Amino acid sequence: TQLLEQSPQFLSIQEGENLTVYCNSSSVFSSLQWYRQEPGEGPVLLVTVVTGGEVKKLKRLTFQFGDARKDSSLHITAAQPGDTGLYLCAGAASGTYKYIFGTGTRLKVLA
Amino acid sequence: NAGVMQNPRHLVRRRGQEARLRCSPMKGHSHVYWYRQLPEEGLKFMVYLQKENIIDESGMPKERFSAEFPKEGPSILRIQQVVRGDSAAYFCASSPRLPATNEKLFFGSGTQLSVL
Repeated sequence: TQLLEQSPQFLSIQEGENLTVYCNSSSVFSSLQWYRQEPGEGPVLLVTVVTGGEVKKLKRLTFQFGDARKDSSLHITAAQPGDTGLYLCAGAASGTYKYIFGTGTRLKVLA
Repeated sequence: NAGVMQNPRHLVRRRGQEARLRCSPMKGHSHVYWYRQLPEEGLKFMVYLQKENIIDESGMPKERFSAEFPKEGPSILRIQQVVRGDSAAYFCASSPRLPATNEKLFFGSGTQLSVL
């Protein structure tokens, strides 16, 4: 069974601080996606990383895919209250057609 | 271009009743996924369907749960004889093609099911 474990599970920080969220698996994924979900809404895709070692930037967010394609990280620089939400990583389980989601990291940025 | 539409947004049922959750995918999308989310948790895969076919239902309980995606109309997730443990948010996602590298899932706003 392929699992995606995220850490930390909860994170509460002050506005302006930096943070990193991790997504780890013992399995290899052809790609990993990061989603952000706000209360009462469905997840919205932030980025897809495909190549081992790949780094993608989206404004203050930096995403990295591990060299072995088993893990990924999301780094937020100078967090803002608008970054508050549930961050989920997801990957297509090899040999199946289903996307599995990580356990999630709930981020709260205090003004 | 409307997004993925789910209804109802909130559904209250008593134990033993049936719950029907509807999902209309984005226009042109023929692939639908259903996920379940408990408070403070991530999304758990339930079922993946294409038009008129169930492709992967490995995440769906064998009893009381069923899903369909007919040629015409929305995808339906049906829960018979609901129990309190079925209370959760149920999300539907659609995509235009088979899962592949860079394929994007578009999610609806979910249906919050509460079983009294």
